Amino acid sequence: DTGVSQDPRHKITKRGQNVTFRCDPISEHNRLYWYRQTLGQGPEFLTYFQNEAQLEKSRLLSDRFSAERPKGSFSTLEIQRTEQGDSAMYLCASSLVGARTEAFFGQGTRLTVV
Amino acid sequence: QQQVKQSPQSLIVQKGGISIINCAYENTAFDYFPWYQQFPGKGPALLIAIRPDVSEKKEGRFTISFNKSAKQFSLHIMDSQPGDSATYFCAAGGGATNKLIFGTGTLLAVQP
Repeated sequence: DTGVSQDPRHKITKRGQNVTFRCDPISEHNRLYWYRQTLGQGPEFLTYFQNEAQLEKSRLLSDRFSAERPKGSFSTLEIQRTEQGDSAMYLCASSLVGARTEAFFGQGTRLTVV
Repeated sequence: QQQVKQSPQSLIVQKGGISIINCAYENTAFDYFPWYQQFPGKGPALLIAIRPDVSEKKEGRFTISFNKSAKQFSLHIMDSQPGDSATYFCAAGGGATNKLIFGTGTLLAVQP
């Protein structure tokens, strides 16, 4: 499978716990994006990497959120001290830099904070 | 100025009919307009995309119409099929990051 891969697909956690999600982009895609999608809404941009550099963060990304992309390959998104409002689908997308800028999404990680 | 407005919120179409979903944007810096299809529990899948240098793009049963002066674009699904029943999102992107701003989605139901 050469698509964007996300793990886990589902995560249920208690309020206050930390969670970490992983995204493996399409091979050779140097851009990687994280989005959050709540029920009945479109995805909202969280942050963006070009290779290993995190170049933009949305105001939606509070201090409890941190993302990394070591070595410019896979990425992780960590949420510390989870709150019920963090319950959402977290989507990862990847694309190339340049003329072909189509972004391809993974299947997402569904987070439920109880 | 970053919003993308999408309508209708939901749409019911008979099998074989034409489904039309509309979007409008404000930021003239946007230069990339994709449409995504999403099934429940799945990630968005890219359907078709257009850039402002053309007014129409067709891929199979899917057509994007783009009106740069009105800052509007629409998705037409010809010969709609029950398998097309899904949520459709328009988006707009551009600039150095090409991050996407999504519409609120249209839930399409194609009745057999």
